[in-house]
Amino acid sequence: NAGVMQNPRHLVRRRGQEARLRCSPMKGHSHVYWYRQLPEEGLKFMVYLQKENIIDESGMPKERFSAEFPKEGPSILRIQQVVRGDSAAYFCASSPQVDGELFFGEGSRLTVL
Amino acid sequence: TQLLEQSPQFLSIQEGENLTVYCNSSSVFSSLQWYRQEPGEGPVLLVTVVTGGEVKKLKRLTFQFGDARKDSSLHITAAQPGDTGLYLCAASGAGSYQLTFGKGTKLSVIP
Repeated sequence: NAGVMQNPRHLVRRRGQEARLRCSPMKGHSHVYWYRQLPEEGLKFMVYLQKENIIDESGMPKERFSAEFPKEGPSILRIQQVVRGDSAAYFCASSPQVDGELFFGEGSRLTVL
Repeated sequence: TQLLEQSPQFLSIQEGENLTVYCNSSSVFSSLQWYRQEPGEGPVLLVTVVTGGEVKKLKRLTFQFGDARKDSSLHITAAQPGDTGLYLCAASGAGSYQLTFGKGTKLSVIP
Protein backbone atom coordinates (compact mmCIF):
# COMPACT_ATOMS: atom_id res chain seq x y z
CA ASN A 1 0.00 0.00 0.00
CA ALA A 2 1.73 3.12 -1.22
CA GLY A 3 1.91 6.08 1.12
CA VAL A 4 0.73 9.61 0.46
CA MET A 5 2.32 10.75 -2.79
CA GLN A 6 3.11 14.38 -3.40
CA ASN A 7 4.55 15.96 -6.51
CA PRO A 8 6.54 17.78 -7.44
CA ARG A 9 8.97 17.36 -4.55
CA HIS A 10 10.65 20.62 -5.48
CA LEU A 11 9.22 23.51 -7.46
CA VAL A 12 10.85 26.81 -8.38
CA ARG A 13 8.72 29.69 -9.57
CA ARG A 14 9.31 33.34 -10.30
CA ARG A 15 7.15 35.98 -8.67
CA GLY A 16 3.79 36.23 -10.40
CA GLN A 17 3.75 32.67 -11.74
CA GLU A 18 1.38 29.92 -10.68
CA ALA A 19 2.26 26.89 -8.57
CA ARG A 20 0.28 23.64 -8.62
CA LEU A 21 0.98 21.02 -5.98
CA ARG A 22 -0.52 17.56 -6.21
CA CYS A 23 -1.37 15.01 -3.56
CA SER A 24 -2.56 11.45 -4.00
CA PRO A 25 -3.85 10.10 -0.66
CA MET A 26 -3.31 6.59 0.56
CA LYS A 27 -5.62 4.02 -0.97
CA GLY A 28 -8.96 4.05 0.80
CA HIS A 29 -8.44 7.48 2.35
CA SER A 30 -11.06 10.09 1.48
CA HIS A 31 -9.93 12.81 3.89
CA VAL A 32 -7.13 15.12 2.76
CA TYR A 33 -5.44 17.91 4.68
CA TRP A 34 -2.90 20.48 3.53
CA TYR A 35 -0.38 22.01 5.92
CA ARG A 36 2.34 24.61 5.29
CA GLN A 37 5.70 24.64 7.03
CA LEU A 38 7.69 27.88 6.89
CA PRO A 39 11.40 27.85 7.77
CA GLU A 40 11.85 27.62 11.55
CA GLU A 41 8.09 27.46 12.03
CA GLY A 42 5.69 24.69 12.92
CA LEU A 43 3.25 23.21 10.47
CA LYS A 44 0.16 25.36 9.97
CA PHE A 45 -3.20 23.97 8.93
CA MET A 46 -4.47 25.28 5.62
CA VAL A 47 -7.43 23.28 4.35
CA TYR A 48 -9.38 20.06 4.88
CA LEU A 49 -11.14 18.36 2.00
CA GLN A 50 -13.20 15.28 1.38
CA LYS A 51 -13.96 14.00 -2.08
CA GLU A 52 -15.36 16.92 -4.13
CA ASN A 53 -15.96 19.01 -0.98
CA ILE A 54 -13.99 21.66 0.89
CA ILE A 55 -14.85 21.09 4.54
CA ASP A 56 -12.67 23.74 6.18
CA GLU A 57 -10.44 26.29 4.45
CA SER A 58 -10.05 28.59 7.44
CA GLY A 59 -6.26 28.28 7.40
CA MET A 60 -5.85 29.21 3.78
CA PRO A 61 -5.21 32.82 2.64
CA LYS A 62 -8.34 34.28 1.08
CA GLU A 63 -6.58 35.41 -2.06
CA ARG A 64 -4.44 33.53 -4.56
CA PHE A 65 -4.81 30.14 -2.83
CA SER A 66 -7.31 27.46 -3.77
CA ALA A 67 -7.65 23.73 -3.23
CA GLU A 68 -9.69 20.95 -4.74
CA PHE A 69 -10.14 17.21 -4.36
CA PRO A 70 -12.03 15.97 -7.41
CA LYS A 71 -13.93 12.72 -7.65
CA GLU A 72 -11.16 11.31 -9.78
CA GLY A 73 -7.52 12.23 -9.45
CA PRO A 74 -5.32 13.85 -6.86
CA SER A 75 -5.99 16.78 -4.59
CA ILE A 76 -4.48 19.99 -5.92
CA LEU A 77 -3.29 23.04 -4.03
CA ARG A 78 -3.04 25.98 -6.40
CA ILE A 79 -1.21 29.21 -5.68
CA GLN A 80 -1.67 32.01 -8.18
CA GLN A 81 0.69 34.96 -8.64
CA VAL A 82 3.21 33.59 -6.17
CA VAL A 83 5.22 35.92 -3.96
CA ARG A 84 8.47 35.28 -2.07
CA GLY A 85 6.54 34.78 1.16
CA ASP A 86 4.89 31.70 -0.36
CA SER A 87 8.24 29.88 -0.26
CA ALA A 88 7.68 26.97 2.10
CA ALA A 89 7.23 23.23 2.34
CA TYR A 90 3.65 22.19 1.68
CA PHE A 91 2.59 18.90 3.23
CA CYS A 92 -0.43 16.84 2.39
CA ALA A 93 -1.85 14.31 4.83
CA SER A 94 -4.61 11.78 4.39
CA SER A 95 -6.79 9.85 6.78
CA PRO A 96 -9.38 7.08 6.44
CA GLN A 97 -11.79 8.92 8.74
CA VAL A 98 -12.33 12.42 10.07
CA ASP A 99 -10.59 11.83 13.42
CA GLY A 100 -8.25 9.14 12.24
CA GLU A 101 -4.48 9.06 12.21
CA LEU A 102 -2.90 11.39 9.68
CA PHE A 103 -0.38 10.01 7.24
CA PHE A 104 1.83 12.71 5.78
CA GLY A 105 3.47 12.84 2.39
CA GLU A 106 7.08 13.87 1.92
CA GLY A 107 6.09 17.41 1.02
CA SER A 108 6.50 19.78 -1.90
CA ARG A 109 9.09 22.46 -1.44
CA LEU A 110 8.22 25.67 -3.22
CA THR A 111 10.87 28.30 -3.83
CA VAL A 112 9.81 31.64 -5.23
CA LEU A 113 12.60 33.66 -6.82
CA THR B 1 -5.39 30.49 18.79
CA GLN B 2 -4.05 27.54 20.73
CA LEU B 3 -0.28 27.62 21.03
CA LEU B 4 2.10 24.77 21.76
CA GLU B 5 5.49 25.71 23.16
CA GLN B 6 8.23 23.15 22.76
CA SER B 7 11.49 23.17 24.68
CA PRO B 8 14.32 23.06 24.21
CA GLN B 9 14.38 24.28 20.65
CA PHE B 10 17.72 22.57 19.99
CA LEU B 11 19.40 19.72 21.82
CA SER B 12 22.75 18.10 21.08
CA ILE B 13 23.81 15.12 23.19
CA GLN B 14 26.23 12.23 23.17
CA GLU B 15 25.15 8.73 22.26
CA GLY B 16 23.98 6.84 25.35
CA GLU B 17 22.69 9.88 27.24
CA ASN B 18 19.11 10.35 28.35
CA LEU B 19 17.00 13.36 27.44
CA THR B 20 13.57 14.86 27.94
CA VAL B 21 11.77 17.33 25.70
CA TYR B 22 8.64 19.22 26.61
CA CYS B 23 5.46 20.46 25.03
CA ASN B 24 3.40 23.00 26.96
CA SER B 25 0.24 24.99 26.44
CA SER B 26 -2.25 27.06 28.39
CA SER B 27 -5.07 25.27 26.57
CA VAL B 28 -6.66 21.91 27.31
CA PHE B 29 -6.54 19.41 24.50
CA SER B 30 -8.62 16.34 23.80
CA SER B 31 -5.57 14.53 22.45
CA LEU B 32 -1.91 15.15 21.84
CA GLN B 33 0.40 13.56 19.33
CA TRP B 34 4.16 13.32 18.94
CA TYR B 35 5.74 13.16 15.50
CA ARG B 36 9.30 12.74 14.28
CA GLN B 37 10.38 14.48 11.09
CA GLU B 38 13.63 13.88 9.27
CA PRO B 39 15.13 16.42 6.83
CA GLY B 40 13.33 16.42 3.50
CA GLU B 41 10.53 14.19 4.72
CA GLY B 42 7.08 14.48 6.22
CA PRO B 43 6.25 13.99 9.90
CA VAL B 44 5.70 10.42 11.06
CA LEU B 45 3.37 9.76 13.96
CA LEU B 46 5.02 8.22 17.03
CA VAL B 47 2.19 8.19 19.55
CA THR B 48 -1.19 9.64 20.48
CA VAL B 49 -2.13 10.30 24.10
CA VAL B 50 -5.69 11.10 25.11
CA THR B 51 -6.07 10.57 28.87
CA GLY B 52 -4.68 12.94 31.50
CA GLY B 53 -1.74 11.29 33.27
CA GLU B 54 -1.37 8.70 30.53
CA VAL B 55 2.08 7.20 29.98
CA LYS B 56 2.98 5.32 26.82
CA LYS B 57 6.23 3.55 26.00
CA LEU B 58 7.66 2.87 22.57
CA LYS B 59 10.94 0.97 23.01
CA ARG B 60 13.33 3.59 24.47
CA LEU B 61 10.79 6.42 24.18
CA THR B 62 8.42 7.28 27.02
CA PHE B 63 5.57 9.72 26.45
CA GLN B 64 3.55 11.33 29.20
CA PHE B 65 0.39 13.45 29.01
CA GLY B 66 -0.09 15.88 31.86
CA ASP B 67 -2.91 15.35 34.33
CA ALA B 68 -4.64 18.51 33.14
CA ARG B 69 -4.10 17.60 29.46
CA LYS B 70 -2.20 20.84 28.82
CA ASP B 71 1.32 19.51 28.54
CA SER B 72 3.34 16.50 27.56
CA SER B 73 6.88 15.19 27.70
CA LEU B 74 8.97 12.81 25.66
CA HIS B 75 11.84 11.01 27.38
CA ILE B 76 14.44 9.08 25.41
CA THR B 77 16.66 6.61 27.23
CA ALA B 78 20.15 5.82 25.95
CA ALA B 79 19.86 7.98 22.84
CA GLN B 80 21.26 6.65 19.59
CA PRO B 81 22.33 8.50 16.41
CA GLY B 82 19.23 7.11 14.71
CA ASP B 83 17.12 9.20 17.10
CA THR B 84 18.37 12.37 15.43
CA GLY B 85 15.54 14.41 13.99
CA LEU B 86 12.89 17.06 14.62
CA TYR B 87 10.38 16.07 17.29
CA LEU B 88 7.02 17.78 16.94
CA CYS B 89 4.07 17.79 19.26
CA ALA B 90 0.61 18.44 17.88
CA ALA B 91 -2.77 18.70 19.51
CA SER B 92 -6.40 19.15 18.72
CA GLY B 93 -9.31 20.45 20.72
CA ALA B 94 -12.57 18.64 21.35
CA GLY B 95 -14.46 18.06 18.13
CA SER B 96 -11.72 19.59 16.02
CA TYR B 97 -9.81 17.88 13.25
CA GLN B 98 -7.30 20.72 12.92
CA LEU B 99 -3.95 19.91 14.42
CA THR B 100 -1.94 22.68 16.05
CA PHE B 101 1.78 21.97 15.87
CA GLY B 102 4.62 23.19 18.02
CA LYS B 103 7.80 24.44 16.35
CA GLY B 104 9.64 21.32 17.37
CA THR B 105 12.78 20.25 19.16
CA LYS B 106 15.73 19.57 16.88
CA LEU B 107 17.68 16.68 18.38
CA SER B 108 21.21 15.71 17.36
CA VAL B 109 22.74 12.58 18.85
CA ILE B 110 26.48 12.50 18.37
CA PRO B 111 28.16 9.10 18.03
